Amino acid sequence: KAGVTQTPRYLIKTRGQQVTLSCSPISGHRSVSWYQQTPGQGLQFLFEYFSETQRNKGNFPGRFSGRQFSNSRSEMNVSTLELGDSALYLCASSSRTQNYGYTFGSGTRLTVV
Amino acid sequence: QKEVEQNSGPLSVPEGAIASLNCTYSDRGSQSFFWYRQYSGKSPELIMSIYSNGDKEDGRFTAQLNKASQYVSLLIRDSQPSDSATYLCAVNHSGGGADGLTFGKGTHLIIQP
Repeated sequence: KAGVTQTPRYLIKTRGQQVTLSCSPISGHRSVSWYQQTPGQGLQFLFEYFSETQRNKGNFPGRFSGRQFSNSRSEMNVSTLELGDSALYLCASSSRTQNYGYTFGSGTRLTVV
Repeated sequence: QKEVEQNSGPLSVPEGAIASLNCTYSDRGSQSFFWYRQYSGKSPELIMSIYSNGDKEDGRFTAQLNKASQYVSLLIRDSQPSDSATYLCAVNHSGGGADGLTFGKGTHLIIQP
């Protein structure tokens, strides 16, 4: 059974640019959530999607957005990149039949220069 | 503000001993509790989930939950050098999984051969 797939694995962007990250959940999982991990702040919740609807959003500025498609694949977008957006972005998927346990992808390492 | 607190460590334990990791959380309405293991440069891996008061055992791992004290712990028996990693405590505040997970900043565990 394939795991959670995130692309790309690495990205280098310039301040002011925008970036789109992709996540394909485990087959059959309809819940996808996104997290930002930095050495200083740890893992922080960005947002969660279920059946193409954003269920909740963490405390991040509006430059961070996301969406989920009908096949449960999800994308997140960060506009007007800042140096502080450099982080590991992790996607996790969940099935309600697994008591909400979340399985993480390998992440996208974003570096803003 | 929903918070999850962990001692950052490092926690050093001799091989073969019991490693005890602790976590407290602020939201009394929290429903689900998870322990993740994260090796350096890798994404978090779910190792235990617990939903009701008491102990839950899985192999060498035992999770303990005390909702009255808002306390979760993870015991690792017969610790092995391969258990050396950062252990993240995560809490889900909604039974429906809509809130995503709130993570502690992790405890760095070192198993000394």
